[in-house]
This record gives sequence, structure tokens and C-alpha cells, in this order.
Amino acid sequence: EAQVTQNPRYLITVTGKKLTVTCSQNMNHEYMSWYRQDPGLGLRQIYYSMNVEVTDKGDVPEGYKVSRKEKRNFPLILESPSPNQTSLYFCASSLTPTRYGYTFGSGTRLTVV
Amino acid sequence: QKEVEQNSGPLSVPEGAIASLNCTYSDRGSQSFFWYRQYSGKSPELIMSIYSNGDKEDGRFTAQLNKASQYVSLLIRDSQPSDSATYLCAVKKGNNRLAFGKGNQVVVIP
Repeated sequence: EAQVTQNPRYLITVTGKKLTVTCSQNMNHEYMSWYRQDPGLGLRQIYYSMNVEVTDKGDVPEGYKVSRKEKRNFPLILESPSPNQTSLYFCASSLTPTRYGYTFGSGTRLTVV
Repeated sequence: QKEVEQNSGPLSVPEGAIASLNCTYSDRGSQSFFWYRQYSGKSPELIMSIYSNGDKEDGRFTAQLNKASQYVSLLIRDSQPSDSATYLCAVKKGNNRLAFGKGNQVVVIP
């Protein structure tokens, strides 16, 4: 089944404790992206990647890191999480986003206390 | 002006009626437009894409695009309770990126 897989689905952590949210897609998509979704603010892009080793900042990249060492994987790293990063995170992938849109993963609900 | 605006509040429609959602965008050069459906607690799911002025129909969904007026709309005909969800409008930005609106909640009343 073609899908984008994120883990974990739920995560509660403490301020300052480094964490990684994994994302993997099995559709051989070139493009991958991370979004966060907050009430009243909608979906905002954090980082995106056009191919292996090619990444760029989205609209809200502060406090996040990404890497794209393999085509299928695009982990999101929070080096020192803060409470304002409490949010619902979505990983997404696409062959060409502006032609086909994105396929989204199931989401990771992160709470930073 | 925001990149993508969806200003309407929650929309309640009776079962069987037409639900109409609107979205405006700021970049006159945008070429690709998408509608996503998001059920509560779930991820967005692509339901329609449109690239040319006019109407595009897919089952009970019709997307309408007017580039001169910079708006795109979504009509849901014969609304069903299963259509109750939040609908997100997305518009192409430069460099193969998508900008999303905040979404409109639709509630279909049986």
C-alpha cells in the first residue's frame, strides 16, 4: 500500500530534550515536506526537500532541523524542544507537489511540557 | 493580504443540499490549486485539483477557478453526513511549494 508513515503518533516530552520524528514514504517520491498544524493558524510548512541531500526552509523553520540522506526518509529533529512547538505535525510526500498535491502521513501529536 | 484566505465560518448544510466553499489567493501567477478534506483528528486528503479557469467535476464535487478574480471554490452536491469535515484550499507557491488556507468546517445535518 502506498503510504507515508510517521512515528510516533503521540509524543509527550520535556523542554530541552532532543527528539526525532521519523517519516518514510514508499512511493519513490522526489518531494517531501514537514508541516505543523495549529488551531487558527492552519497548516504551515516547516521544511521541504526536493531530493536527496536537497532541503530548504519553509515558513516556520526556527527550532527545527531536517535531513534527507535517503530518498524514502525525511526525519524532523527538534534539538531543544520548547512549549511553543506543541503542535500536530504532518509529513507529506509528492512526485510533484504543484501538479499532484501532497500525500500526507497520519500525523504526530507532540506535547512539550 | 494572506497567501490563501478562507474566511467563512463553520458551514451547516442540510443533508442533500449543496455546500459551497470559497478561497481567495494573493499571487496572481499561481497556476495550481487543490482542495483537501480533513476529518477531525485525521490527516488531509486530496479530493480535487484544478489548473484551468472554469469548472472541474468529480462525482459530487465541483471545483471552480477564476484566475482573473483570484478565487477558487468547491461545491459539494447532495451533501452527505460523511462530508462533515474541514476543507482546506491549497495554492502553488514558487519553487514547487504549496500554501494552505486555514480551512472551512462543513457540518451536514441529517
